[in-house]
Amino acid sequence: DAMVIQNPRYQVTQFGKPVTLSCSQTLNHNVMYWYQQKSSQAPKLLFHYYDKDFNNEADTPDNFQSRRPNTSFCFLDIRSPGLGDAAMYLCATSRTGEVDEQFFGPGTRLTVL
Amino acid sequence: GQNIDQPTEMTATEGAIVQINCTYQTSGFNGLFWYQQHAGEAPTFLSYNVLDGLEEKGRFSSFLSRSKGYSYLLLKELQMKDSASYLCAVADSNYQLIWGAGTKLIIKP
Repeated sequence: DAMVIQNPRYQVTQFGKPVTLSCSQTLNHNVMYWYQQKSSQAPKLLFHYYDKDFNNEADTPDNFQSRRPNTSFCFLDIRSPGLGDAAMYLCATSRTGEVDEQFFGPGTRLTVL
Repeated sequence: GQNIDQPTEMTATEGAIVQINCTYQTSGFNGLFWYQQHAGEAPTFLSYNVLDGLEEKGRFSSFLSRSKGYSYLLLKELQMKDSASYLCAVADSNYQLIWGAGTKLIIKP
C-alpha cells in the first residue's frame, strides 16, 4: 500500500543534543510537509517542499532545519532541542500542493529530557 | 490575521447525532477540509468543501457557507470509535492550510 512512513515513532533526546527525524513516502507526491503539533493544539507548519523547492515558514526557529535529498525522503533536523520542542512531529504529503488532500504519516513523538 | 475557531470539546451519546461547528477568517479561500485525529495518531482526511452546501459521505456530512465563513461537520449514528479530535482547516489564497486547534469529541455509552 502506498503510504507515508515516519521513523522513529518515539524519540527521546537530551536537552541540546541534535536529533534527526525521518519521513519517506511511496505515493510519489510532489509536496512534503513537516508539522509540529503540541497537545490539543493545531498542527503548526514548519516547512514544506514543492519538489526540491524549499519553503520555510516565517516563524520557524533557526533551530529547525530540513533536507529533501530525493522525492521519497525528507528529514527534520533539530540542532539543539529545548524543552519547548517536545511535541508530535507530523510529516505529510500532497500531490500538487494546491487544494488536494494531505496524507499524514503516523508521527514521531519527541521527548526532551 | 487568519483565524479558525472550533469548540474545544463536545460530548455526545452513542447512536446520537452531533454537529461540530467551524468559523474562519482567512486571506482568501480555496476550500475547507475536515480531518479526524485519534489520540496519539496522525490526522486522516474526512471531507473537502469548496462550494456552498452539504456534502454527504456515509455517516458523515460537511456543510459550507462561504458568505458566513462557516462550516459544520455532522456525525450521525455515533459509534464509540468516533471518539477523536476533529480538525477544521482552510486553504488560503496561497493554498496554505490554516488549521483549527480541533474539537475533542467524547462519546458516552
